[in-house]
Amino acid sequence: KAGVTQTPRYLIKTRGQQVTLSCSPISGHRSVSWYQQTPGQGLQFLFEYFSETQRNKGNFPGRFSGRQFSNSRSEMNVSTLELGDSALYLCASTRTGMESTDTQYFGPGTRLTVL
Amino acid sequence: AQSVAQPEDQVNVAEGNPLTVKCTYSVSGNPYLFWYVQYPNRGLQFLLKYITGDNLVKGSYGFEAEFNKSQTSFHLKKPSALVSDSALYFCAVDQGGKLIFGQGTELSVKP
Repeated sequence: KAGVTQTPRYLIKTRGQQVTLSCSPISGHRSVSWYQQTPGQGLQFLFEYFSETQRNKGNFPGRFSGRQFSNSRSEMNVSTLELGDSALYLCASTRTGMESTDTQYFGPGTRLTVL
Repeated sequence: AQSVAQPEDQVNVAEGNPLTVKCTYSVSGNPYLFWYVQYPNRGLQFLLKYITGDNLVKGSYGFEAEFNKSQTSFHLKKPSALVSDSALYFCAVDQGGKLIFGQGTELSVKP
């Protein structure tokens, strides 16, 4: 079974621009979560989607948004990019995400650099 | 709120020696604990998880973890380290479907 895929793998943007990242979950998985990884803050939860609805949200500004499509694929968008948004953005999928015992399986990430 | 701590930023081990990567947790209710590994320029790979039952959990690549309720710890172990085990290791606790991660421990295994 194919794993979680993320595109693109690398992105370079300038301050003020916006960016869209894409995530395709493991086949049959319906929950998708997004995380930001930076050297200073570590791994932080952004949000989680299930059945095209945002079910959980972390402490990030409104510039960070996401959505999920009917095929469970998800996108996240960051508007008005800031230098501090440079990070590795990781997507994870689970079957339902409704059980705390579910394992989250991660994609390879998208490395975003903001200049 | 749930949290985990990894007290060591770096662990150095000689190949063939046993390794331990430490993790302590603070949770209310039942702890659902996970270990992930990250190789350079890669995402996180799932190693193992503790839900309930046996305190010794066996996972991928020969790793295991010992859950200790009295010490609120969930240390990752391997009897014989390999150079290829060198990577960044993360302990995490599930909080309502979102993972709360420790700061990570860099494991270096030297030949």
